[in-house]
Amino acid sequence: GNSVTQMEGPVTLSEEAFLTINCTYTATGYPSLFWYVQYPGEGLQLLLKATKADDKGSNKGFEATYRKETTSFHLEKGSVQVSDSAVYFCALTGGGNKLTFGTGTQLKVEL
Amino acid sequence: DAGVTQSPTHLIKTRGQQVTLRCSPKSGHDTVSWYQQALGQGPQFIFQYYEEEERQRGNFPDRFSGHQFPNYSSELNVNALLLGDSALYLCASSFVLVNTEAFFGQGTRLTVV
Repeated sequence: GNSVTQMEGPVTLSEEAFLTINCTYTATGYPSLFWYVQYPGEGLQLLLKATKADDKGSNKGFEATYRKETTSFHLEKGSVQVSDSAVYFCALTGGGNKLTFGTGTQLKVEL
Repeated sequence: DAGVTQSPTHLIKTRGQQVTLRCSPKSGHDTVSWYQQALGQGPQFIFQYYEEEERQRGNFPDRFSGHQFPNYSSELNVNALLLGDSALYLCASSFVLVNTEAFFGQGTRLTVV
């Protein structure tokens, strides 16, 4: 079945540091890939997505590239802010809008 | 547009009781999916409803059941609650088209004591 593996947290960075959160997946066919963000006490918000190989999703300074050859979808941001502190989830759909999530990576950004 | 709304926001129940959680999808959406998110974990797919029928189901026991109404809103019912059912229950809505974006509600925090 489908699965998503992402790096364990927490990841603690200073403001303006570079962020990478690794995500790899196992899936049959051609899944769509997503990054969702969850702020404390809230539901999930879609951060970015990519629907086919070599697509780059981007939003709010975050970006991720769909790499089929390495089955990866790593999240990056060039300069993080304190307001980026949240839990980030990598996910995929294999069909029918059913999402399979990773376990989440908590990001803490300090001044 | 109110987005996806869930009620109640918090709930405390006793072991063995039954609970009903409610979800109103984003305007124009016709598909509702339910997820269980245990503390410190990623959401796990419970089931999905479209045209008032369960279309897909995850690895959850029959104690978990649902319903979708003609206005596309949905309910999640859990019978014979266990302590392990304590979690954040998330509702997501989308269009029936494959791989379109799912919008999530704020969730219902269920605590079983």
